[in-house]
Amino acid sequence: DAGVTQSPTHLIKTRGQQVTLRCSPKSGHDTVSWYQQALGQGPQFIFQYYEEEERQRGNFPDRFSGHQFPNYSSELNVNALLLGDSALYLCASSLGAGPVGYGYTFGSGTRLTVV
Amino acid sequence: KQEVTQIPAALSVPEGENLVLNCSFTDSAIYNLQWFRQDPGKGLTSLLLIQSSQREQTSGRLNASLDKSSGRSTLYIAASQPGDSATYLCAGSTSYGKLTFGQGTILTVHP
Repeated sequence: DAGVTQSPTHLIKTRGQQVTLRCSPKSGHDTVSWYQQALGQGPQFIFQYYEEEERQRGNFPDRFSGHQFPNYSSELNVNALLLGDSALYLCASSLGAGPVGYGYTFGSGTRLTVV
Repeated sequence: KQEVTQIPAALSVPEGENLVLNCSFTDSAIYNLQWFRQDPGKGLTSLLLIQSSQREQTSGRLNASLDKSSGRSTLYIAASQPGDSATYLCAGSTSYGKLTFGQGTILTVHP
């Protein structure tokens, strides 16, 4: 039973560029949430996708956008990259968009470095 | 707005010690409380989940408690081992499924 898969594992981009990160949820899960974790900090909620729609959004600018596909996989897009976007981006999957009684499953993350 | 605080920020103990990690939250309307482990540069591994109707959960040498009235959760690790060295994060879940994390406790267990 595959867990949450994220790609790529590492990425280096230049300021002003655009980046796309990908996530495949755990088998049987239909909801994907994205988190940003800066060095030495706890993860911060970016947004959640369920039924191919953005259901919730954290305090992130519109440069951050996403998409969910019919197979429940998801993409996170960041435009006009800033140095401050350098972080570990984590994807979490769950079943259903509401409260999760059994918790979330996280991927290993994508390390984005903006230079 | 939910805020989660973890104390201490870092902890260094000799192997074999029992230890307690603390987590406090400002909004008692959390749905559940989840503890995670994170190894350097890696993703999150779920350790224990306590639903709002529960008081504690146990898994092996780990025990987590939840007191919603006081806004506190503790993670108890018995007989610590060097392999327990990692960052431990707690996170509260809202009714909509959003997780709010603390900044974590960095645990180092010396042989």
